[in-house]
Amino acid sequence: EPEVTQTPSHQVTQMGQEVILRCVPISNHLYFYWYRQILGQKVEFLVSFYNNEISEKSEIFDDQFSVERPDGSNFTLKIRSTKLEDSAMYFCASEAAGASTDTQYFGPGTRLTVL
Amino acid sequence: QKEVEQNSGPLSVPEGAIASLNCTYSDRGSQSFFWYRQYSGKSPELIMSIYSNGDKEDGRFTAQLNKASQYVSLLIRDSQPSDSATYLCAVPLNSGYALNFGKGTSLLVTP
Repeated sequence: EPEVTQTPSHQVTQMGQEVILRCVPISNHLYFYWYRQILGQKVEFLVSFYNNEISEKSEIFDDQFSVERPDGSNFTLKIRSTKLEDSAMYFCASEAAGASTDTQYFGPGTRLTVL
Repeated sequence: QKEVEQNSGPLSVPEGAIASLNCTYSDRGSQSFFWYRQYSGKSPELIMSIYSNGDKEDGRFTAQLNKASQYVSLLIRDSQPSDSATYLCAVPLNSGYALNFGKGTSLLVTP
């Protein structure tokens, strides 16, 4: 069964450093998402991406963050200058057609620890 | 601010019993509703989606939707210890497809 994959599974970085989180969505899916979950808190939407551009973003997704689909398979989230409060699980999700009735499939997540 | 509210629990039920998980939402215009299961340290996994008022059954799971009361629930029949997890209610944000999740209800099924 096709699945969303994410690398790395765990990333440790120093405050102020840049990190890139990588995702490979399901191959025929067209809509891609990043969510994050701070430990003990709810899953929060960051950004959605379609047709090589951001389609929606939350207040959390400020200038520190950027997304890119550098080739036909990868979807990346870059955090430019990490802060302690960026420590969280980051989930990538993909969806086939971008309908409100469609299913989003989540990857296993990347645990980001900022020291 | 559109809200999705869930009782955080923990909800403890004995093995074989029915577990009932509830969710309320603030956006009256919401049309689709999702239940995800999340095991500790893992990613959310879709269990059920529901779009119309009434009940929708899938195996041991039944989702119930009441748009007038802005209420969606998930029933798990014949609960198993493997059902012990956090159950997340999710509703699309705004007019797009990004999901707004509730904080989740922790379910513990005791043998």
